[in-house]
Amino acid sequence: GAVVSQHPSWVICKSGTSVKIECRSLDFQATTMFWYRQFPKQSLMLMATSNEGSKATYEQGVEKDKFLINHASLTLSTLTVTSAHPEDSSFYICSASETGAFYGYTFGSGTRLTVV
Amino acid sequence: GENVEQHPSTLSVQEGDSAVIKCTYSDSASNYFPWYKQELGKGPQLIIDIRSNVGEKKDQRIAVTLNKTAKHFSLHITETQPEDSAVYFCAARGAQKLVFGQGTRLTINP
Repeated sequence: GAVVSQHPSWVICKSGTSVKIECRSLDFQATTMFWYRQFPKQSLMLMATSNEGSKATYEQGVEKDKFLINHASLTLSTLTVTSAHPEDSSFYICSASETGAFYGYTFGSGTRLTVV
Repeated sequence: GENVEQHPSTLSVQEGDSAVIKCTYSDSASNYFPWYKQELGKGPQLIIDIRSNVGEKKDQRIAVTLNKTAKHFSLHITETQPEDSAVYFCAARGAQKLVFGQGTRLTINP
């Protein structure tokens, strides 16, 4: 089945530094990838939709200059949290939709970000 | 945009009993309704999904029903087992994006 690999699984960084999270589709090509943020005991909130080779589309209220998304290939999307602050601490999850597939979204295992 | 409401927020059942989780959605154009199971510290895992042209789908102990007229869909788990304990999310796809319900924490008591 479709597999999405997300790394790192957890990261601790100092306030003011930047952190990059990678999301790879291992056995399929993904024209579209999605990035979610999940706070403890809450639901998944879509942050942005990234399409290969074009700029990401951010949801209302998500700072595009703070959460940089790059989708340079059909198998890799990255999320960079710039100048991280403690309030950015959260569980970040990516999802990929196979190119040409109308249904089905495969999720990564998530990245626990802690900013100290 | 799409809005998904999920109930209950917590559910506790005895092992072997059935569990039902219900969701309603707002956008009549939504056409895809997946259910995910999420264990602590992990990403969501698809357990079953249903498309808008189908009223019911079953996979072993898990079934999903969809009522398009009423805009609600439900997850049914029969013969529950301890390993079914997790958080379950419903979702609806509107405009290419998945919108999630608030989640249900299911606890199976031995």
